[in-house]
Amino acid sequence: DSGVTQTPKHLITATGQRVTLRCSPRSGDLSVYWYQQSLDQGLQFLIQYYNGEERAKGNILERFSAQQFPDLHSELNLSSLELGDSALYFCASSSWTDSTGELFFGEGSRLTVL
Amino acid sequence: QQQVKQSPQSLIVQKGGISIINCAYENTAFDYFPWYQQFPGKGPALLIAIRPDVSEKKEGRFTISFNKSAKQFSLHIMDSQPGDSATYFCAASLTGTASKLTFGTGTRLQVTL
Repeated sequence: DSGVTQTPKHLITATGQRVTLRCSPRSGDLSVYWYQQSLDQGLQFLIQYYNGEERAKGNILERFSAQQFPDLHSELNLSSLELGDSALYFCASSSWTDSTGELFFGEGSRLTVL
Repeated sequence: QQQVKQSPQSLIVQKGGISIINCAYENTAFDYFPWYQQFPGKGPALLIAIRPDVSEKKEGRFTISFNKSAKQFSLHIMDSQPGDSATYFCAASLTGTASKLTFGTGTRLQVTL
C-alpha cells in the first residue's frame, strides 16, 4: 500500500461530459502529480502541485484542470470528454525534500468514455 | 520532447531465466534513473534506481547496468519468477525535479513455469 488514495477506481461516462478524479497523497507529502496512462503512450505527466500551488505542467489538455486544496488532497477535472480520454489516471505524491525523486503512486482511476 | 526509449514492448521468460529490459535516453543532463514495477490493477512502484556515477547497482535479483557513454541503461532480473510478471517502466530525471520524471513506454514481462 503506497499510502496514496484515489477515487473513484472506475468511471464510465459519455462523450461531452465532465468528471472529477480525487487524490489523497501520502501523509506528509506536499507534492502531488497526475499522470495519464494509455496503452500506446505509457505514463504521461500531466501536472504537479506543491502545497497548493501549481509547480509544473506537462502534456495536459486545456479541457483538463487540477487543483490542490489546503488539506493537500487534489482533484483532476476532465471536461468535454472525448473517446480518446479513456485511460488510467494516476495520482502520485512525493516528499519535495526527497532527493531520490521517488514517486508513490495510487492505484489509479480508470476512465471509460463511451 | 525529451524521450526515454524502452524495449522490448513485451517479454516472455521461463522461470529461472534472465529477463533483460533496455532503455535509452537523450538528455545527457539526466542524473537519476529509476525503474518502476507495476502489477495489474496497481500503480507503479519504485523497484530500483541508479545514478550515473556508478555503472551497476544490484538489489537482490534485480540489477541495473548503466552505460553513460552510450546513454543506455538496462534492468536484469536474475532467476526470474512467476511473481515477477508485471509491467516494468524505466524512467529518467534530474535530481530534485520529480516532476520531470520521464517514463519509457513499459515492458510487459511474463514469466512462465
